[in-house]
Amino acid sequence: EPEVTQTPSHQVTQMGQEVILRCVPISNHLYFYWYRQILGQKVEFLVSFYNNEISEKSEIFDDQFSVERPDGSNFTLKIRSTKLEDSAMYFCASRRGGAANEQFFGPGTRLTVL
Amino acid sequence: GEDVEQSLFLSVREGDSSVINCTYTDSSSTYLYWYKQEPGAGLQLLTYIFSNMDMKQDQRLTVLLNKKDKHLSLRIADTQTGDSAIYFCAEKENDYKLSFGAGTTVTVRA
Repeated sequence: EPEVTQTPSHQVTQMGQEVILRCVPISNHLYFYWYRQILGQKVEFLVSFYNNEISEKSEIFDDQFSVERPDGSNFTLKIRSTKLEDSAMYFCASRRGGAANEQFFGPGTRLTVL
Repeated sequence: GEDVEQSLFLSVREGDSSVINCTYTDSSSTYLYWYKQEPGAGLQLLTYIFSNMDMKQDQRLTVLLNKKDKHLSLRIADTQTGDSAIYFCAEKENDYKLSFGAGTTVTVRA
C-alpha cells in the first residue's frame, strides 16, 4: 500500500543552522501539508501546498520557514535559522484531492535543536 | 483557529470496550477524523465520519457523532494491548488543514 515517507527520521542541529526536512508524498496525491508536534502537545498545522504554491499557512510558519516541491516526488520543509523552540516532530501529509478526504501522514522527522 | 478538546487519559481492561470522547467548535466542519499514534510512530488514520452521518462502524471501531452537541466519540470493542496508543480527534477546517485535539492516551491493562 502506498505511503508517505520522510527523511531523516531524526535530525540534530545547532541553533542558527538551516535544516531541510524531506517528504515523499503518495504519488497520485495533489495536496501536501506540514504539521508539527512539540513533545507532549497538540499536532499543529504549519502549511498546505497545492498546484506549486502555498494554499494556507499558520502563524507559526513565519519567514524562517519555506516549502518547495523541487521535482515530481519530493516535498521539502526548510527552516532557515533554527531556534531551540523549533525542536519538535514534523509530520508531512498528503491528500489525493477531489472527493477524497483522507489525509495520510508520514512517520515524522524528529528535529532536535541544541 | 478552531478548538478540539479531548480527555487526556483513559485506562481500560483488556477485552472491555474503550470510549474516547471529543468535542469540537466548528459547526461547519464537514469531516471529523480519528488518528492513532503509537509510541515513536506517525499518525495512522483510523476512520472518519461525514457530518451528515450519526454513526459509522468499521470492524471493532464505532464512531458516533452528535452534531447538535458537537460531540464525537470513538468506541473500540474488545480492546487489545495493541490498541494502547494516543488517539487524536481532528476536524477538517477547510480543504487545506486539519485541527487536532491534544490526544487521549489509552492504556490497556491485562
